[in-house]
Amino acid sequence: RKEVEQDPGPFNVPEGATVAFNCTYSNSASQSFFWYRQDCRKEPKLLMSVYSSGNEDGRFTAQLNRASQYISLLIRDSKLSDSATYLCVWLYGGATNKLIFGTGTLLAVQP
Amino acid sequence: DTEVTQTPKHLVMGMTNKKSLKCEQHMGHRAMYWYKQKAKKPPELMFVYSYEKLSINESVPSRFSPECPNSSLLNLHLHALQPEDSALYLCASSQGNGPNTGELFFGEGSRLTVL
Repeated sequence: RKEVEQDPGPFNVPEGATVAFNCTYSNSASQSFFWYRQDCRKEPKLLMSVYSSGNEDGRFTAQLNRASQYISLLIRDSKLSDSATYLCVWLYGGATNKLIFGTGTLLAVQP
Repeated sequence: DTEVTQTPKHLVMGMTNKKSLKCEQHMGHRAMYWYKQKAKKPPELMFVYSYEKLSINESVPSRFSPECPNSSLLNLHLHALQPEDSALYLCASSQGNGPNTGELFFGEGSRLTVL
C-alpha cells in the first residue's frame, strides 16, 4: 500500500459547485500534512497546511482525521481557475525534512 | 515568479554524456530538495540536503549525484543515464525547521530527455 493515496479523478464539476477530496495515509506516526496545487506544466505550490482542528482559507477548508487516517480538502463555489491537480503532502515525523507527495487528484471546473 | 531558479530549463543528452542540473535560491532556506516528476505522476523525492549535508537519499541510482556547494546552491550531476530517466527534475527549498518546514518553494524544473 502506498504511504499516501488519493483518488486520481478527474473530478469534473460545474462552476459554483462544492467539491471535496480525500487523502488517506498509512503511517500513523506522520505528523504534518499539507495540500499543494499544481497547474498543468507548472511547479507545485503550497495551498494550505492541515491542522487537527481544521483550517479555512476563503473558499478552501482542510481537515485532518487522525482516527481514520485521512485528510480532506473542501472547495466551495468552484471557479474555473481552481482547475488543477491537488496533491496531499505528508511530512515525516522528526527533523527529517522528508516530504512525500500523494498521487494527486485532478479537478476540472467546467463553465 | 518563483524564487528558486533552475538551469537549464531543457536538456537533451545521450546515455554516455555527463551533464549537471543547477538550482539556486536566495531566501536563506536551509533545506534543499531534488524531486523527479514523470508525466501525470506526483513529484517523487530523490534527495534532501539539510544545512548543506545530505540528509536523505531515497535509494536513488548512483548515476545521479547531488552536490550542495553552499546553502544557496544545489546541483544534480548526471552520468550514464537511461532513457527511462527522462522526466522533469524539480528543485525545491524550505526553511528547514520550525512551523514552515512543510512549505516547499519549487523552481520551474529542468525537463530532461535522455536519448
